[in-house]
Amino acid sequence: AQSVAQPEDQVNVAEGNPLTVKCTYSVSGNPYLFWYVQYPNRGLQFLLKYITGDNLVKGSYGFEAEFNKSQTSFHLKKPSALVSDSALYFCAVRDRAGANFNKFYFGSGTKLNVKP
Amino acid sequence: NAGVTQTPKFQVLKTGQSMTLQCAQDMNHNSMYWYRQDPGMGLRLIYYSASEGTTDKGEVPNGYNVSRLNKREFSLRLESAAPSQTSVYFCASKGGTGAYEQYFGPGTRLTVT
Repeated sequence: AQSVAQPEDQVNVAEGNPLTVKCTYSVSGNPYLFWYVQYPNRGLQFLLKYITGDNLVKGSYGFEAEFNKSQTSFHLKKPSALVSDSALYFCAVRDRAGANFNKFYFGSGTKLNVKP
Repeated sequence: NAGVTQTPKFQVLKTGQSMTLQCAQDMNHNSMYWYRQDPGMGLRLIYYSASEGTTDKGEVPNGYNVSRLNKREFSLRLESAAPSQTSVYFCASKGGTGAYEQYFGPGTRLTVT
């Protein structure tokens, strides 16, 4: 089974500065990779995914993520943070095939605080 | 387009009571999921249904049952609620072949006293 690690419970960044939220995963094949965002008292919203191709994928709200196969990482990035980006971010993976094809595995979440 | 809807939004139960959480999606998705979210633990899969007519256990199925009523609806039942089931419950859905990501409902906040 896959497992996902988000090593930082919280990331603090000043508005206008670049941000990175880290994600690494254990390897069992070559999974699909996802980022979701959760605002207070809301469900999770899909941000972006890596399926194949270019290692840098772009998503909603100016976010992007870099897939690194050798490091089994999929870090979320944004060149210039906004206060409105403050939220809880989840990394998730899903197998490409096999018995667990439809199961998603989530990290524990990273709280992003963007200060004015 | 409502997406994934969940009812109720909030619920307080006493230990031993039963209840059913309802979930419906209007996106014609094949797969549906139930998760619980607890502080510091991310989302943990309770049960999922890869397609209409099938259900499978996730990481934390004990104390729960599910029913995939039809393609749209996937309910989660707590037969005898326990304080350890106090959590926020999310339903999600995913399309069929060629669909990759999930779409989530707004959640149900359940407190068991």
